[in-house]
Amino acid sequence: NAGVMQNPRHLVRRRGQEARLRCSPMKGHSHVYWYRQLPEEGLKFMVYLQKENIIDESGMPKERFSAEFPKEGPSILRIQQVVRGDSAAYFCASSPSPNTEAFFGQGTRLTVV
Amino acid sequence: SQQGEEDPQALSIQEGENATMNCSYKTSINNLQWYRQNSGRGLVHLILIRSNEREKHSGRLRVTLDTSKKSSSLLITASRAADTASYFCATDAKGAQKLVFGQGTRLTINP
Repeated sequence: NAGVMQNPRHLVRRRGQEARLRCSPMKGHSHVYWYRQLPEEGLKFMVYLQKENIIDESGMPKERFSAEFPKEGPSILRIQQVVRGDSAAYFCASSPSPNTEAFFGQGTRLTVV
Repeated sequence: SQQGEEDPQALSIQEGENATMNCSYKTSINNLQWYRQNSGRGLVHLILIRSNEREKHSGRLRVTLDTSKKSSSLLITASRAADTASYFCATDAKGAQKLVFGQGTRLTINP
């Protein structure tokens, strides 16, 4: 059973470009969470999704950021018109149901130049 | 504000000693989880303790939970150099369906 898979592992974008981060949850997991981590800091919650539904997006910036978890395929975190402040590690986690163990991927390190 | 706050922020001990990290939180929870993160890597799930549990063991790890004090501790016994990492607690507040992380404790094991 493969773990949570994130790709790409590293992503470099110029200011103003779009960044698309992908997350494939563990098999059998229908709950996906996205977090952002700045260097030497903890993880900040961004969004919680179930298949085809956004359950909690209280941590998502109101502009430029969006997330989806379609019926088929991975969850996508999309950042439009990236700025230098978007540079961070973005982690995805999945769980089979709420209030259970959440397992994390290796993260995508986004660098905006 | 952060739900979980770890203490201390940094801890440096000699190999073979025990390491204790603490976590405090603010609201009622369903469960509390501890994770390890090696530098530049993803998070590894260590242990989950439910709100109706007081203590849990896994190998060299021992986790306690005191819901009356809204605090938890992670004890690593007989530490090894490979235990060097950041350790985070994450809480799952009642009524919410997301994990909220603290800032972590950076543990260094000196050989």
